[in-house]
Amino acid sequence: AQKITQTQPGMFVQEKEAVTLDCTYDTSDPSYGLFWYKQPSSGEMIFLIYQGSYDQQNATEGRYSLNFQKARKSANLVISASQLGDSAMYFCAMRERSGTYKYIFGTGTRLKVLA
Amino acid sequence: NAGVTQTPKFQVLKTGQSMTLQCAQDMNHEYMSWYRQDPGMGLRLIHYSVGAGITDQGEVPNGYNVSRSTTEDFPLRLLSAAPSQTSVYFCASRGEGNNQPQHFGDGTRLSIL
Repeated sequence: AQKITQTQPGMFVQEKEAVTLDCTYDTSDPSYGLFWYKQPSSGEMIFLIYQGSYDQQNATEGRYSLNFQKARKSANLVISASQLGDSAMYFCAMRERSGTYKYIFGTGTRLKVLA
Repeated sequence: NAGVTQTPKFQVLKTGQSMTLQCAQDMNHEYMSWYRQDPGMGLRLIHYSVGAGITDQGEVPNGYNVSRSTTEDFPLRLLSAAPSQTSVYFCASRGEGNNQPQHFGDGTRLSIL
């Protein structure tokens, strides 16, 4: 069965430093998609970055990059130059199979950026 | 640009009462879904729809009904509320393309007493 695991319930990072949030997944399907979302304390879900299983290069979006290691089934989110506004809950999610609309989410990592 | 709109934002119910959580999107998205978010458990899929007239169960469908009569609307019904359904509920929609992200509403915080 498909599964997403985020093993870091909480993390701290100093402002302006980089931080890596871990995400591992389990699937037997060759075609899948991986997403990261940010949930600030206000509660909304904000899309950050996407990686497809067939994408050759790691995805990047501004200060966000995805360290995709397919053989290890990991899709870690890297945030560079952390800002106080990055303090939030971060969720890794996987679309189960190409052509479906079923997503599974990890349990999240709460990131706190320190001034 | 409204996106995905959920109503109400907050609701308190008594055990056994029924209610409908509303979700509407104005992006002409075919794909819509409902999630519940509980502490320490991330988001769990309740029901989803791939187009008007088509719905299917997610991970935790028991106690919830859905229908999709139009592309825009995807209401979630609780027929007989139970304290275990106390949660934050999110509606989401997605456009065509597997690489498209889901767009989420702002959530409904529901308490069952």
